[in-house]
Amino acid sequence: DAKTTQPPSMDCAEGRAANLPCNHSTISGNEYVYWYRQIHSQGPQYIIHGLKNNETNEMASLIITEDRKSSTLILPHATLRDTAVYYCIVRVGGNTPLVFGKGTRLSVIA
Amino acid sequence: NAGVTQTPKFQVLKTGQSMTLQCAQDMNHEYMSWYRQDPGMGLRLIHYSVGAGITDQGEVPNGYNVSRSTTEDFPLRLLSAAPSQTSVYFCASSKTGGFIQYFGAGTRLSVL
Repeated sequence: DAKTTQPPSMDCAEGRAANLPCNHSTISGNEYVYWYRQIHSQGPQYIIHGLKNNETNEMASLIITEDRKSSTLILPHATLRDTAVYYCIVRVGGNTPLVFGKGTRLSVIA
Repeated sequence: NAGVTQTPKFQVLKTGQSMTLQCAQDMNHEYMSWYRQDPGMGLRLIHYSVGAGITDQGEVPNGYNVSRSTTEDFPLRLLSAAPSQTSVYFCASSKTGGFIQYFGAGTRLSVL
């Protein structure tokens, strides 16, 4: 799997948008970008994934650059419950393992 | 629908003891996997299985055995526990070709 690079930590004010960047400059054409988060040592939770197009669901939006070398996860209105470690993962879809890096620790501040 | 269930939640072992961490899912998922997470680190893959009777090694398989006799269950065995195996263990599952992996709540293991 391609490697990803994420900042180790970020802060965000409650109610504001949280924009979490991820670099994946060696991504292959058939690899998807996934985002998971882990709240306080709970099991990781799937957030969103995409291949080329921008994606949105009830939790977040995923913006992928046209060259696919980077992406941004957007939490539109961050709450204290969004405080977590966010992992950006690139992976071929299907039954292949997820390879976790250290992620970005997002702290949402009241 | 309970999702992915891991037992026990906590366990303390002495060096050299053996034990089995249980993982069960009720979603009829073919793909299951085990990860360990050490303090301040991301998750590392131990073993995974793409279906009953099929298992494969991940990044850190040494000291761990697995088997997959049913679709529902994927137990992880520590044959002779070592302090280096002190960690939090997570089990995950997904359907064949699925994009989403579902994780259990974890088992916190201490080896003294």
